[in-house]
Amino acid sequence: AQRVTQPEKLLSVFKGAPVELKCNYSYSGSPELFWYVQYSRQRLQLLLRHISRESIKGFTADLNKGETSFHLKKPFAQEEDSAMYYCALTNSGGSNYKLTFGKGTLLTVNP
Amino acid sequence: DAGVTQSPTHLIKTRGQQVTLRCSPKSGHDTVSWYQQALGQGPQFIFQYYEEEERQRGNFPDRFSGHQFPNYSSELNVNALLLGDSALYLCASSLVGLAGNTIYFGEGSWLTVV
Repeated sequence: AQRVTQPEKLLSVFKGAPVELKCNYSYSGSPELFWYVQYSRQRLQLLLRHISRESIKGFTADLNKGETSFHLKKPFAQEEDSAMYYCALTNSGGSNYKLTFGKGTLLTVNP
Repeated sequence: DAGVTQSPTHLIKTRGQQVTLRCSPKSGHDTVSWYQQALGQGPQFIFQYYEEEERQRGNFPDRFSGHQFPNYSSELNVNALLLGDSALYLCASSLVGLAGNTIYFGEGSWLTVV
């Protein structure tokens, strides 16, 4: 069975501090990993995906298959980063994605 | 482009009743998926529709059913509502066959069962 674990329900940091949101997964196969973000009163939106290897809004995430992790990192947090973050996975190579989500981490960036 | 639109945004139903939620996918998208998001939880996959057929289904009882229309819009029906069905129901759309495509979510329909 596929599962995504986000161990931190809440994460609070100060502006300018580094931030890391943890994500671990279990999947028997080759998964594709995503980070979705939901800002206050907005819809869920894709932040980044591991196959793109992009940096979006200063966030990066590296897929570590050995540790089955896909942690989200940003060197200097901004107040506008405060949001709910969800890690998700699906089977790679498919275009009909069934996403399995973690329970989410609420990030608060304090001034 | 309005993106994925869902209706209604909020509704209250009584236990045992039936509910229908509606979704219009993003322009050009042909695949619609439905998710249930209970309070404090991540979204959980209910099912996915493509070419008017259910292609994949999550671990939800038969009380949850759906439909996709020729214009790709979709409905989610829940029968014999239980208190535990209270949740945010999200619709997501994508385009099949496009490698690396992005899934877009609607704002959701808040269902409260009393």
